[in-house]
Amino acid sequence: DTEVTQTPKHLVMGMTNKKSLKCEQHMGHRAMYWYKQKAKKPPELMFVYSYEKLSINESVPSRFSPECPNSSLLNLHLHALQPEDSALYLCASSPSGTGGNSPLHFGNGTRLTVT
Amino acid sequence: AQRVTQPEKLLSVFKGAPVELKCNYSYSGSPELFWYVQYSRQRLQLLLRHISRESIKGFTADLNKGETSFHLKKPFAQEEDSAMYYCALIIGNQFYFGTGTSLTVIP
Repeated sequence: DTEVTQTPKHLVMGMTNKKSLKCEQHMGHRAMYWYKQKAKKPPELMFVYSYEKLSINESVPSRFSPECPNSSLLNLHLHALQPEDSALYLCASSPSGTGGNSPLHFGNGTRLTVT
Repeated sequence: AQRVTQPEKLLSVFKGAPVELKCNYSYSGSPELFWYVQYSRQRLQLLLRHISRESIKGFTADLNKGETSFHLKKPFAQEEDSAMYYCALIIGNQFYFGTGTSLTVIP
């Protein structure tokens, strides 16, 4: 398995809902990432987990809550989102937990719409 | 400060013409640089990494430390090359993406 799998592909939620995005990889990668991408813009880093520990939090609002249950799974819990949070949420992984020259492997993303 | 700069937001070339997508970076250490491509409705994919010094889909990119550049080139553009291209710099486990260049190859 050489892919990063994200579910769901699409999600529509109201501002009072609680939902979760899921990401899975079975490549043995030790770093996992959440990115947010608006249309025609580069991905913006949200969180980095290295060896299942949160290593980077790019000042993301607390309505986004990441979780890494094990080395293969990464979740992003969503609560009380705003319409401006509508975007494509990308999960990525890389082999090295400490970076170096390891490229990122991206999932297809979850397209989130907040109504 | 922006670590990676892609000066062209949009670039159009005719099929068969040479294409160059520019990328400049800001980093005093030894850079690790990549080009990613995002075709319409597809995932972001790794296209090239500078340490590999390889050619993928006819594209090449050379690191020029003197000019702090990592431009992406292809001698003969194809319609299927139309996509969004992002240059990226990695420092530790932090990826810095450029703002992207949207390439359109005109038939």
